[in-house]
Amino acid sequence: DAKTTQPTSMDCAEGRAANLPCNHSTISGNEYVYWYRQIHSQGPQYIIHGLKNNETNEMASLIITEDRKSSTLILPHATLRDTAVYYCIGHYSGEKLTFGTGTRLTIIP
Amino acid sequence: GAVVSQHPSWVICKSGTSVKIECRSLDFQATTMFWYRQFPKQSLMLMATSNEGSKATYEQGVEKDKFLINHASLTLSTLTVTSAHPEDSSFYICSASALRGLGYTFGSGTRLTVV
Repeated sequence: DAKTTQPTSMDCAEGRAANLPCNHSTISGNEYVYWYRQIHSQGPQYIIHGLKNNETNEMASLIITEDRKSSTLILPHATLRDTAVYYCIGHYSGEKLTFGTGTRLTIIP
Repeated sequence: GAVVSQHPSWVICKSGTSVKIECRSLDFQATTMFWYRQFPKQSLMLMATSNEGSKATYEQGVEKDKFLINHASLTLSTLTVTSAHPEDSSFYICSASALRGLGYTFGSGTRLTVV
């Protein structure tokens, strides 16, 4: 897995967009950027992934810089249920995952 | 979507006994499953890679004789914590990939408390 760096914690007001940054300057050309989140006392949940292009699904958007050294996960309208630890992981498809410390996102009412 | 079912959700056992945790892929076949352990306020730590029909691959520092992994079918992997001690109390999580390139699906986790 590529080494990733994320802020330890972030707050976001309910209803606003939450933008979670991730630095992955050592990511290799064929490694995808995956985002997962873990709500307290649950297993992690897949959110989104991308290689080069920006991606969007029903949960979030992923913006990857052109040089692929960093990315931003965007939750467009954060709700209290989005409070979780968010993990950014660079890895090849099928490769075992190595979790970093992630970003603890707290949504403020 | 892909679902991974993990049982039990929680278990309390006495020190010295063994505990088995099951991880099932409900709507897909998983040749490979992964087992993680998570201590309070820490990140997930990969313990081992479970391969269907072959021996599991353990991460450095994980005792293979203590954490027995069996992956006898394409939909079931089990983790047995043998001779459990209080320091084995943790949150155990399994995961599998339904389709290459679509990320991993995780079980809901098993909270083990050894008393």
